[in-house]
Amino acid sequence: GENVEQHPSTLSVQEGDSAVIKCTYSDSASNYFPWYKQELGKGPQLIIDIRSNVGEKKDQRIAVTLNKTAKHFSLHITETQPEDSAVYFCAAGGGGFKTIFGAGTRLFVKA
Amino acid sequence: DTGVSQNPRHKITKRGQNVTFRCDPISEHNRLYWYRQTLGQGPEFLTYFQNEAQLEKSRLLSDRFSAERPKGSFSTLEIQRTEQGDSAMYLCASSLVGFQETQYFGPGTRLLVL
Repeated sequence: GENVEQHPSTLSVQEGDSAVIKCTYSDSASNYFPWYKQELGKGPQLIIDIRSNVGEKKDQRIAVTLNKTAKHFSLHITETQPEDSAVYFCAAGGGGFKTIFGAGTRLFVKA
Repeated sequence: DTGVSQNPRHKITKRGQNVTFRCDPISEHNRLYWYRQTLGQGPEFLTYFQNEAQLEKSRLLSDRFSAERPKGSFSTLEIQRTEQGDSAMYLCASSLVGFQETQYFGPGTRLLVL
C-alpha cells in the first residue's frame, strides 16, 4: 500500500545551524506534499506545502524541495532557533482524499 | 478563534466503557477527517466526511468505532467497549474540497484506557 518514509527519526542541531529532513513516498499519484510541525500536547500545524508542479518553495527560513522522478521531498530549516524544536511530519496526498504521513522527526535545537 | 476545535482534550476511561469525542471544523470547510496518532508515529487515517456523508473508512476502524456528521458541521467519534489498545491521540482535521486541498488539524483528544 501507500507509504511515506521519513528520516532521520531524531535530529539534534546547534542553534543557528541548518536542519534537513528527508522523505520518500511510494504512490506515484501523489501530487501534494505538506509539512506539519507538532509541539507537545498540540495538533499538527501546517508550516509549508509544495505541489507537484514546482520543484522548490521557500518561506523565510523554511524551504521544501521536491523530486517527483525519485519520489523524494525534503524540508530545510536554516538559522535554527530553540523554538524550532518540535516533531516534524511530512505527508503525501492528492491521490484522492487520503494523505499519508511519515513517522515524524524529532528536532532538538540546542541553545 | 476560527480553527478546528476538539472536546474533550483529555479523557481517561476504564476498559469496556464507551467514549465520545466531538470535533468542530473550520466553519466553511466541507471535508472532515478523523485520525489516530500513537506515540512516536504520524497520524493514521480513520475516516472522512464530505458534508454529512461518510465516504471512506480505514480498516483500522473496527466495528467498535462509529463516526457521524449529522448536519455536515460538527462530527462525533464514538468508541464502544474501549480496550487498552485504543489509548491514543484522536485528531480531527478539516479542509475545503478542491484541488489538492490543505487539511487543518485540531488540538486532538488524548484518550487513556485503564
